[in-house]
Amino acid sequence: DTEVTQTPKHLVMGMTNKKSLKCEQHMGHRAMYWYKQKAKKPPELMFVYSYEKLSINESVPSRFSPECPNSSLLNLHLHALQPEDSALYLCASSTEDQGSYEQYFGPGTRLTVT
Amino acid sequence: TQLLEQSPQFLSIQEGENLTVYCNSSSVFSSLQWYRQEPGEGPVLLVTVVTGGEVKKLKRLTFQFGDARKDSSLHITAAQPGDTGLYLCAGDTGFQKLVFGTGTRLLVSP
Repeated sequence: DTEVTQTPKHLVMGMTNKKSLKCEQHMGHRAMYWYKQKAKKPPELMFVYSYEKLSINESVPSRFSPECPNSSLLNLHLHALQPEDSALYLCASSTEDQGSYEQYFGPGTRLTVT
Repeated sequence: TQLLEQSPQFLSIQEGENLTVYCNSSSVFSSLQWYRQEPGEGPVLLVTVVTGGEVKKLKRLTFQFGDARKDSSLHITAAQPGDTGLYLCAGDTGFQKLVFGTGTRLLVSP
């Protein structure tokens, strides 16, 4: 099973709203990621969690707040977003094995900020 | 900064044609992955190449990793409409990060 699930599939929120994106994997992977992808562009890394600890924050604005409650779950809390934050948000997971480093992506959440 | 440049950026071909997508960098990567992404969906891992000079075949798709592990290519034989999508290469930096290529959009028409 190489499935990563994400909810919701679509989200529309106003600039004053608070919402959360959820991601789940049951592959036993210990690294999980959040990416942001704009139309016709490659994914941009936002955060990396390794063994449930935040290991990389790519200078993401504080209006995005990640959380890793356990090794299978990853959340992204959203608050006071801007219209330019509208994008496809992707979650991924991977093993920590050296030499062959593969990430498995979820289907994404299409976020629209109005 | 490690960059991966893909070429061409966009390719529109007829069903049955062959094509090659290139992924080039001046940096060395410990491994390289190829993904295909359809509109509104997440990237799907196609293959991982690890050893310089390695060639892997996946049905009609052939992947090659350059000898110096700085570049890679994807060759599709007899393309089908189902091959349509965004093809992304991604290099493993060895620091929990993948560097994604600029992407190649492929459109295969019946």
